[in-house]
Amino acid sequence: DSGVTQTPKHLITATGQRVTLRCSPRSGDLSVYWYQQSLDQGLQFLIQYYNGEERAKGNILERFSAQQFPDLHSELNLSSLELGDSALYFCASSVGGGRAPGELFFGEGSRLTVL
Amino acid sequence: GENVEQHPSTLSVQEGDSAVIKCTYSDSASNYFPWYKQELGKRPQLIIDIRSNVGEKKDQRIAVTLNKTAKHFSLHITETQPEDSAVYFCAASILGGTSYGKLTFGQGTILTVHP
Repeated sequence: DSGVTQTPKHLITATGQRVTLRCSPRSGDLSVYWYQQSLDQGLQFLIQYYNGEERAKGNILERFSAQQFPDLHSELNLSSLELGDSALYFCASSVGGGRAPGELFFGEGSRLTVL
Repeated sequence: GENVEQHPSTLSVQEGDSAVIKCTYSDSASNYFPWYKQELGKRPQLIIDIRSNVGEKKDQRIAVTLNKTAKHFSLHITETQPEDSAVYFCAASILGGTSYGKLTFGQGTILTVHP
């Protein structure tokens, strides 16, 4: 158990819908990262928050948004869903958002299926 | 931004043989290079990492080497066992910089160890 909690584990929805994925980082970790894992795309970085503020942005679609709340949990919102958004979405947390030791701790992921 | 290339995409070995996975990175400012192992349906987990001030690091049957000049690093697994079968990802990051520890991953290598 990494200490990072993601909900829901599985989600099936239809095209055009909106979903929210939730992540609770390890106790004490200030940084949260979201990654998308599709079959042919590896682990693609979406966005990072550090202590409530956005710190880095990857190839995140405009239909996607995220935030980190004062209690440090984070939510990833996916809207106007398309078939191609079907993927495993991982949340990860780290101690200091870039300071040593650098290890990211991943949650078990949320598997999104868009039909 | 950083780009990490990983080869091979698939690797099949016999139990007891060695396995080598290679990665190259593009950003000379990257100074932290972790390797993650992802078993089927599971989350990625850190197995070894190396910093740019070190050329080689070993942990039992796994080792990582880094060539900063050539901007490439490799994972070496000796005496492979069936339980080593998984997807392995290399990654690069800048610790202490403004990217706040964001990891850029390679595309992954599917390692299969045949008994």
